[in-house]
Amino acid sequence: DGGITQSPKYLFRKEGQNVTLSCEQNLNHDAMYWYRQDPGQGLRLIYYSQIVNDFQKGDIAEGYSVSREKKESFPLTVTSAQKNPTAFYLCASSIDLWEKQYNEQFFGPGTRLTVL
Amino acid sequence: GQQLNQSPQSMFIQEGEDVSMNCTSSSIFNTWLWYKQEPGEGPVLLIALYKAGELTSNGRLTAQFGITRKDSFLNISASIPSDVGIYFCAGQLTDSNYQLIWGAGTKLIIKP
Repeated sequence: DGGITQSPKYLFRKEGQNVTLSCEQNLNHDAMYWYRQDPGQGLRLIYYSQIVNDFQKGDIAEGYSVSREKKESFPLTVTSAQKNPTAFYLCASSIDLWEKQYNEQFFGPGTRLTVL
Repeated sequence: GQQLNQSPQSMFIQEGEDVSMNCTSSSIFNTWLWYKQEPGEGPVLLIALYKAGELTSNGRLTAQFGITRKDSFLNISASIPSDVGIYFCAGQLTDSNYQLIWGAGTKLIIKP
């Protein structure tokens, strides 16, 4: 079945360590996104990518980095520069933004990162 | 950045009751999306709206794209226990080809 997978589901790291969250999709979607979710708040966009080897900063990109070497994969690295990294991280994808007017995004199951 | 005002923040209802929630903004949108999120999971798309005035149903769910293009509502009829979760609205601005603006969510709780 087509879908978006994120791994791991739960991740614990010590303060000061970088950590990479995985996101893979087999929907043949061109665009992929990373969001951060904190309790009682809506989703905030970290980074997005419309095509391979290209990505753009979202509203809260500081302390994060991404890569898009393959269409199917969009890993997110939470660096030690991120001041408050503990959160629920969601990856999403959508059909090519250049051809489709309406941006229906489909989400993975999320990764809960806890920094100790 | 842009914001959507989603209300109510939470709802405590009895099973069988109807539910109504809405999102408003000062900006004009060309798309409204409604998602449901269950604990520890990613949001799932429920309904997508593309035209001002459009009324769309998905089972017991009904959503409308406001005539002014600045608001949308979601109704759930005859609620059941599996409706519990957080419902999010998201809008796509007319001058943006990528970004969804998200509401803060409405948490639906059904009293036993």
